[in-house]
Amino acid sequence: GDSVIQMQGQVTLSENDFLFINCTYSTTGYPTLFWYVQYSGEGPQLLLQVTTANNKGSSRGFEATYDKGTTSFHLQKTSVQEIDSAVYYCAMRGFGSSGNKLIFGIGTLLSVKP
Amino acid sequence: EAGVTQSPRYAVLQEGQAVSFWCDPISGHDTLYWYQQPRDQGPQLLVYFRDEAVIDNSQLPSDRFSAVRPKGTNSTLKIQSAKQGDTATYLCASSFYWGGSNTGQLYFGEGSKLTVL
Repeated sequence: GDSVIQMQGQVTLSENDFLFINCTYSTTGYPTLFWYVQYSGEGPQLLLQVTTANNKGSSRGFEATYDKGTTSFHLQKTSVQEIDSAVYYCAMRGFGSSGNKLIFGIGTLLSVKP
Repeated sequence: EAGVTQSPRYAVLQEGQAVSFWCDPISGHDTLYWYQQPRDQGPQLLVYFRDEAVIDNSQLPSDRFSAVRPKGTNSTLKIQSAKQGDTATYLCASSFYWGGSNTGQLYFGEGSKLTVL
C-alpha cells in the first residue's frame, strides 16, 4: 500500500547550520508531495508542496526536491534559525479512491540551538 | 477568518470511560478529516467526510469509535470504552474538496489531547 518513510526522528543543529531531511515514498505513479510543519501546541500547517516529479518547491527559505528516480523527497534549508525548531512531516496525497487524503510520515523533530 | 476550532483541548480518562471531541471547521470547507496522532508519530487518518457523507472510515476502529457530521458543518468524534492505547492527540482538519486539483492543503485545529490511564 501507499506509504511515506522518514528515517530521521530527531535532528539537533546550531543556528546557521545546514538542514537536510530525507523522505521516501512508495506508491504507483508520481504523487503530489508535501512538507508540513508543526510547532509546539499547534496543529500541522502546510510548508510547501511539489506537484511535479523532478521539480522543486520553496517557501520561507526552505526548499524541497522531488526525485522520481529514487522516490525521494528532501527538505533542506541553508541556514536554520532557532524559530525553525518544530516537527517536520513529509506527506503524500493518495491516488484514485485515496486521492482526497494525505498520508504522513512519522516526523522529524528539529531542535535549533542559539 | 476563524480557523478550525476543537474542544476540549485536553481530556483525561480511566479505561472504560467514554469521551467526545467536537470540531468546527473553517466556514465553507466541505471536507472534514479526523486524524489520530500518537506521541512522537505523524497524523494517521481515522475518517473523513465530504459534507455529511462519510467518504472513508476504513481506519476507524468501528467497535469503539464513531464520527458524525450531521449537517455537513460541525463534527463529533466519540470514543466508547477508551483504552490506554487510545492515548493520543486527535486532530481535526478541513479543506475544500480537492477533486482533480493538485493541492493537498489541510487546515488543522490545535488538537484534543487524550490521556487514558
